[in-house]
Amino acid sequence: EPEVTQTPSHQVTQMGQEVILRCVPISNHLYFYWYRQILGQKVEFLVSFYNNEISEKSEIFDDQFSVERPDGSNFTLKIRSTKLEDSAMYFCASSAAGGSYNSPLHFGNGTRLTVT
Amino acid sequence: GDSVTQMEGPVTLSEEAFLTINCTYTATGYPSLFWYVQYPGEGLQLLLKATKADDKGSNKGFEATYRKETTSFHLEKGSVQVSDSAVYFCALNSNSGYALNFGKGTSLLVTP
Repeated sequence: EPEVTQTPSHQVTQMGQEVILRCVPISNHLYFYWYRQILGQKVEFLVSFYNNEISEKSEIFDDQFSVERPDGSNFTLKIRSTKLEDSAMYFCASSAAGGSYNSPLHFGNGTRLTVT
Repeated sequence: GDSVTQMEGPVTLSEEAFLTINCTYTATGYPSLFWYVQYPGEGLQLLLKATKADDKGSNKGFEATYRKETTSFHLEKGSVQVSDSAVYFCALNSNSGYALNFGKGTSLLVTP
């Protein structure tokens, strides 16, 4: 069964450094998402992406964050200058159609980001 | 704003016991409701969903009924197995956007 893959599984970075989290969505999916889960807290929506532009974003997704689909297969999340509070598990997801009521989201296994 | 509240874990059950994980929600309008499951070392997977009041979602022996009057979507299974050990997330989508609004997750451990 096709799956969403995320790399790396664990990333350690120093405060103030830029980090790029990488995701390969399912190949025929058109909608892409990033979520994060700070330890002990809820899974939180960050951003959705369709047709090479952001379709929706949360308050968390400020100017420090950006997303890109640099080629036909990858979908990346960049954090420009990491803060301690960015430490979390970051999940990428994709879906065939927009809106989770239409089409289920398929999630990757996550990248654990640790900012020191 | 929209929110989901689910029971605190961890929940520990013996094999073949009955499972209930409570989930209540706050939302305007008529959201769609979901249960996702995360097995150890894996990503979140859709377990079941319901898109309107009184709908029952079911999958792999799990069931949940969309109760508008009590704003609830409790997850149940009649007889759990060790392989059901995982973290279960209740979530809603307001149907006006793309975002899923998740609860904190409930960890379930089933012992032989």
